[in-house]
Amino acid sequence: QVQLVQSGAEVKKPGASVKVSCKASGYTFSNFDINWVRQATGQGLEWMGWMNANSGNTGYAQKFQGRVTFTRNMSISTAYMELSSLRSEDTAVYYCARGGAYGSGLRPWGQGTLVTVSS
Amino acid sequence: QSVLTQPPSASGTPGQRVTISCSGSSSNIGSNTVNWYQQLPGTAPKLLIYSNDHRPSGVPDRFSGSKSGTSASLAISGLQSEDEADYYCATWDDSLNGYVFGTGTKVTVL
Repeated sequence: QVQLVQSGAEVKKPGASVKVSCKASGYTFSNFDINWVRQATGQGLEWMGWMNANSGNTGYAQKFQGRVTFTRNMSISTAYMELSSLRSEDTAVYYCARGGAYGSGLRPWGQGTLVTVSS
Repeated sequence: QSVLTQPPSASGTPGQRVTISCSGSSSNIGSNTVNWYQQLPGTAPKLLIYSNDHRPSGVPDRFSGSKSGTSASLAISGLQSEDEADYYCATWDDSLNGYVFGTGTKVTVL
């Protein structure tokens, strides 16, 4: 079945960077976009951007421009999200989710990766 | 602050019908299709409705979506205890050039 499995929880200090992985299985990785969404504890969902898994083209939400980078390794069907200059407000669960054709929504989602930023 | 506004909470007794609204503008709901996500406690979100009113396979037909102008709605008929969750609307915003989520609605089954 189509599945996205993310890397484990991370604890980082302010100013550091974090890189979260998202391994896809059950479908042809290059045929779909990967989106990243985060959720602070008790808060709503916040879209960070997307990456075309085939071309590597990306689109970032304005809020994260210059601080986030999406990459992929097609040989292992894995996407990555790297967020730099971490601050306490970046403490959240980070999700990857597969995007499809226009209007088709995001599905499935990875299980989420908790990133804690604390001194 | 999100550009899509939802009521913070909604509730009903088992078997009742509950409706959740999602209010946007011409740059988002007014010109793009709407998706709905269900997030059960402690789990990742799950796509519930896509393209305004389509259900992915496996989603019960108790869930239905609609859109009119710059607003959308999610209806849950025959409410069940397992429907207790957070629900989010989402769509593309042409002005922001990004995907936006609603503020979220917590559904409680009384």
